Amino acid sequence: EAQVTQNPRYLITVTGKKLTVTCSQNMNHEYMSWYRQDPGLGLRQIYYSMNVEVTDKGDVPEGYKVSRKEKRNFPLILESPSPNQTSLYFCASSPARGGTRPYEQYFGPGTRLTVT
Amino acid sequence: SQQGEEDPQALSIQEGENATMNCSYKTSINNLQWYRQNSGRGLVHLILIRSNEREKHSGRLRVTLDTSKKSSSLLITASRAADTASYFCATFLDAGNKLTFGGGTRVLVKP
Repeated sequence: EAQVTQNPRYLITVTGKKLTVTCSQNMNHEYMSWYRQDPGLGLRQIYYSMNVEVTDKGDVPEGYKVSRKEKRNFPLILESPSPNQTSLYFCASSPARGGTRPYEQYFGPGTRLTVT
Repeated sequence: SQQGEEDPQALSIQEGENATMNCSYKTSINNLQWYRQNSGRGLVHLILIRSNEREKHSGRLRVTLDTSKKSSSLLITASRAADTASYFCATFLDAGNKLTFGGGTRVLVKP
């Protein structure tokens, strides 16, 4: 089944304790992206990757890191989480049709993160 | 402020009625996409319209795009209770590779 998976689905952690949220897709998509969703603010893009070893900042990259060593995986790293990173996080992937623009995004189920 | 902004923020209709929501954006786009999100779940892609297209249909969905007004509308015809969800527009800009979402429209379809 074609899908985007995220782990963990729920996480409660404490300020400053490094964590990684994994994202994997089995559709051979070039484009992958991370978003956070907060009430009243909609979805905001954190980082995206056009392909292996190619990553770029989205609108709210501060406090986050990503890597794209393999095409299928795009982990989100919080080196020193803070309470303002409490949010619902979504990973998404997309084929880059025509080798250029990504098109429709396929979303993972989400990771609800609470930082105390 | 956000690139895409939906209007209205919330919409309540009876089953069988049509639901219309609008999206406005600020800068030149490559394409505009609509997504649906059921409560707390991942978003599901509904339809994509390119900047050189004016109207697109998919089942009970109709999307229009007016690039001169920088706006798009999503029409859901003959709504069903299962259409209850939040709907988001997302714009893909002509420059860069970022997808920017609006704040969403919450639609409640009452049986």
